[in-house]
Amino acid sequence: AQTVTQSQPEMSVQEAETVTLSCTYDTSESDYYLFWYKQPPSRQMILVIRQEAYKQQNATENRFSVNFQKAAKSFSLKISDSQLGDAAMYFCAYRTSKAAGNKLTFGGGTRVLVKP
Amino acid sequence: EAGVAQSPRYKIIEKRQSVAFWCNPISGHATLYWYQQILGQGPKLLIQFQNNGVVDDSQLPKDRFSAERLKGVDSTLKIQPAKLEDSAVYLCASRLGLTSYEQYFGPGTRLTVT
Repeated sequence: AQTVTQSQPEMSVQEAETVTLSCTYDTSESDYYLFWYKQPPSRQMILVIRQEAYKQQNATENRFSVNFQKAAKSFSLKISDSQLGDAAMYFCAYRTSKAAGNKLTFGGGTRVLVKP
Repeated sequence: EAGVAQSPRYKIIEKRQSVAFWCNPISGHATLYWYQQILGQGPKLLIQFQNNGVVDDSQLPKDRFSAERLKGVDSTLKIQPAKLEDSAVYLCASRLGLTSYEQYFGPGTRLTVT
């Protein structure tokens, strides 16, 4: 079974600065997807960024980028130019590429605090 | 486009009582998920539907939890009888189909069992 581990329960960042969230996962599959989800205090989960395992290029979405290290099974999220609205819980998630059983397996989350 | 709707938003019950949660996915989304998120943890899948059929219910405590999606649209998750450890947020999510990437989540129902 796949597992996802986020080792940082909480990270604090100054507004306009950069913070990096760590995520490691365990899988025996070679093709899969990785995601970062944001969950603000209102609790609605929002997709931040996704990475396909077969792609070597790291995904980028505006101020959000990932560092995907397939051999190390590592998938970190970098938030650049942090804004107050970035404060939330961030979850790393794994999904198999197979058509069946395509549930998301989540890590335990990292709380991001943004200081003005 | 309307998002995933869930009701109620909050529910407080005593242990051994019953409770039901409702979810209406985004129109046209064939895949529907129910997740349980215990405080301080990431969401855990309870059950996945593809149209009105169950794809994965391996982590659903079937002695007390049940779910249905009779017409392949909205879904109901029921707990009977509830235990203290069922206190959690219950998230519903939907996806367009098996080949689409993104799951869209509803706001969740926060259940407190006393």
